[in-house]
Amino acid sequence: GAGVSQTPSNKVTEKGKYVELRCDPISGHTALYWYRQSLGQGPEFLIYFQGTGAADDSGLPNDRFFAVRPEGSVSTLKIQRTERGDSAVYLCASSPISGGTLDTQYFGPGTRLTVL
Amino acid sequence: LAKTTQPISMDSYEGQEVNITCSHNNIATNDYITWYQQFPSQGPRFIIQGYKTKVTNEVASLFIPADRKSSTLSLPRVSLSDTAVYYCLVGGGSSASKIIFGSGTRLSIRP
Repeated sequence: GAGVSQTPSNKVTEKGKYVELRCDPISGHTALYWYRQSLGQGPEFLIYFQGTGAADDSGLPNDRFFAVRPEGSVSTLKIQRTERGDSAVYLCASSPISGGTLDTQYFGPGTRLTVL
Repeated sequence: LAKTTQPISMDSYEGQEVNITCSHNNIATNDYITWYQQFPSQGPRFIIQGYKTKVTNEVASLFIPADRKSSTLSLPRVSLSDTAVYYCLVGGGSSASKIIFGSGTRLSIRP
């Protein structure tokens, strides 16, 4: 079946602009996660959705970052007033059950964001 | 939160068995140990998960001693395609914020 997809695969923007990154999870997966990965580092947790609600957004670095999942499937990560330090690969993952390390997370290929 | 310590990098040759050890001294009673593999330009991929003793699947084995303060991922007869970054994670329960990837171990396999 289809895996997790993310669009766009690459996004180049200018400092101060607004960007949206989209994640299509595996159909039927209730849990959805966003991570940010900088070069040479492991993925850094940002936010976790259980259904439509954000169950844990403690990883969002500041109020410029926001994510939604209005119908419990597709999710959008929104970044306002982008800064050069936001440049990274943004990964989305989904899992079929309730979240947490007990559940296998299926990752998408990521969106590489470059802020000039 | 239980953090993990892994070697930054390892080298091996095709056909060898590779063992990557992860330290997690502060592991909690309800924590599981999970390993992911990541190739360049791809998201991480689940390899194996365990709680204690030994777990084996078609890809790898996971050895966990009785005190659970460390774990060892064992890859039998590696090939060039096993060159990747391997992450050890410790956590459990319902909070995804307990998932900490760390920097992983960069495994390089040579012919």
